[in-house]
Amino acid sequence: AQSVTQLGSHVSVSEGALVLLRCNYSSSVPPYLFWYVQYPNQGLQLLLKYTTGATLVKGINGFEAEFKKSETSFHLTKPSAHMSDAAEYFCAVSGNTGRRALTFGSGTRLQVQP
Amino acid sequence: DGGITQSPKYLFRKEGQNVTLSCEQNLNHDAMYWYRQDPGQGLRLIYYSQIVNDFQKGDIAEGYSVSREKKESFPLTVTSAQKNPTAFYLCASSAPGQVPQYFGPGTRLTVL
Repeated sequence: AQSVTQLGSHVSVSEGALVLLRCNYSSSVPPYLFWYVQYPNQGLQLLLKYTTGATLVKGINGFEAEFKKSETSFHLTKPSAHMSDAAEYFCAVSGNTGRRALTFGSGTRLQVQP
Repeated sequence: DGGITQSPKYLFRKEGQNVTLSCEQNLNHDAMYWYRQDPGQGLRLIYYSQIVNDFQKGDIAEGYSVSREKKESFPLTVTSAQKNPTAFYLCASSAPGQVPQYFGPGTRLTVL
């Protein structure tokens, strides 16, 4: 069984400040981990993914995440927030065999203040 | 351009009516998925299909039905048995043995 916990349903940062969105997972098998972004009334766009290999993963729009197995975490960061980063962010986990469907966290809404 | 299309974008239904949501992809992906999104709950898996003419229930399949007669299409029917159908529905697809999944723009269903 897999599950994802995103700490903080709402996060607010100032433009130019560090963005940190937290994600912890539970998985009985080696996980594949993902971050998606969703703008209002739109589908999800993949930001980045971890499958195997390097634990620091770089994605689009300047985002990156680090897989920490000992902490079962996959936190999303961006050094400097931009107004266009305001959106909802979802962390998700998938097994590496069998059912490939994603299990999602409940999401974190990011607000960026001018 | 390759991608996933969902129609309609907005759908209104009276209580007791069945309604079918369309999902089409031209990515040549074998696997397709339907998710339901409710505020504050993330996305939950309704049904998925890994190959034509085969599909499996996800975590919240009750009150829904699907078919997979063509590789490109995976329509979802929301039946009158679904007690709380008002939600945002997202379709996704992936290549065999591959993650991640690519998402369509979604259909917002409202029951009046």
